[in-house]
Amino acid sequence: AQTVTQSQPEMSVQEAETVTLSCTYDTSESDYYLFWYKQPPSRQMILVIRQEAYKQQNATENRFSVNFQKAAKSFSLKISDSQLGDAAMYFCAYRSLNYGGSQGNLIFGKGTKLSVKP
Amino acid sequence: NAGVTQTPKFRILKIGQSMTLQCTQDMNHNYMYWYRQDPGMGLKLIYYSVGAGITDKGEVPNGYNVSRSTTEDFPLRLELAAPSQTSVYFCASSYTQPPYEQYFGPGTRLTVT
Repeated sequence: AQTVTQSQPEMSVQEAETVTLSCTYDTSESDYYLFWYKQPPSRQMILVIRQEAYKQQNATENRFSVNFQKAAKSFSLKISDSQLGDAAMYFCAYRSLNYGGSQGNLIFGKGTKLSVKP
Repeated sequence: NAGVTQTPKFRILKIGQSMTLQCTQDMNHNYMYWYRQDPGMGLKLIYYSVGAGITDKGEVPNGYNVSRSTTEDFPLRLELAAPSQTSVYFCASSYTQPPYEQYFGPGTRLTVT
């Protein structure tokens, strides 16, 4: 079974600085999707960025980018020019493309709580 | 376009009571999911559905039941509530094609005392 590990329970960053959140995963599959979700105090789960495993190019969405290292099974999230509104829980999630099991559910890490200091 | 809606937002139950958490999506997604989120943890899958009339268990199904009579609705039933079911419950839906993004409802905070 696949597992997702986020080793940083909490992180802090100064406003306008850059921060990197770590995520590692364990899988024997070769094709899958990886996601970062943001959960602000409102509880709403918001998709930040996605990465297809077959793509070598790292995904980028405005100030958010990932460093996807497939061989190392690592998927870190970099937030540039941090803003107060980035303060939230961030969850890394894995989606299998193997349809022998649960149909496309996400496997989540435990999350990293990001604080942004003004 | 409301996306995924859940009701209620908050609920307090006494031990042994039952209730149904409602979930509706208006995006014509075939796949729907129920997750629970315990403090300090990620989300864990309770049940999922790949289409109307088809449901299956996820990682933590004990104490819950689901049904899927329409594409839009996927209610979660709690029978004989227990304190261990105190959690935040999320409903989600997704397309069956890439990029497989899951759209989440706003969650229901349930307390069982």
